Amino acid sequence: GENVEQHPSTLSVQEGDSAVIKCTYSDSASNYFPWYKQELGKGPQLIIDIRSNVGEKKDQRIAVTLNKTAKHFSLHITETQPEDSAVYFCAASLGSARQLTFGSGTQLTVLP
Amino acid sequence: EADIYQTPRYLVIGTGKKITLECSQTMGHDKMYWYQQDPGMELHLIHYSYGVNSTEKGDLSSESTVSRIRTEHFPLTLESARPSHTSQYLCASSSGELFFGEGSRLTVL
Repeated sequence: GENVEQHPSTLSVQEGDSAVIKCTYSDSASNYFPWYKQELGKGPQLIIDIRSNVGEKKDQRIAVTLNKTAKHFSLHITETQPEDSAVYFCAASLGSARQLTFGSGTQLTVLP
Repeated sequence: EADIYQTPRYLVIGTGKKITLECSQTMGHDKMYWYQQDPGMELHLIHYSYGVNSTEKGDLSSESTVSRIRTEHFPLTLESARPSHTSQYLCASSSGELFFGEGSRLTVL
């Protein structure tokens, strides 16, 4: 089955700096890669996703890049703000939510 | 904003008690899921359903059971809770994108 590895497990950045979280996946057939943000006491929320026919996707301060050859994808957050502090999960799927495999999560702390 | 609700949000019970965690969604999604989230943050799929009267076990073995009698409702039951069941339980539904509830944090003493 699919295996998703996520690094780092914790990340601290100064407010205004950029943050990068990286994930690798094992199944070359995976074609959907969502990222979730989980704030304290809440459930994960989808913040951005990318499909295998696209190399990069941006949404304001958030971007995701995908390298299918190397089987890795990354989340980039620019101009970080304290409200970006949360746990971020990457995931990979063969196309359905049932087949989603999650990474182990990254605790991002943005220091004021 | 997702319309998926879980109750209770927090529950502390003694060993041997029967508990039911409720999950309801108003989006009309056929697919619903239960995840267990351990203290190390990892999400593990324990049950899923593709529609009424359809339930399957997920990747992580769980002593809990689920039912799907109505599209909008997907409760999870533990017949006899044990301390090893202490965890956060997250319900989700999808029609493509996965929407999560806010979770039920269960503590078994």
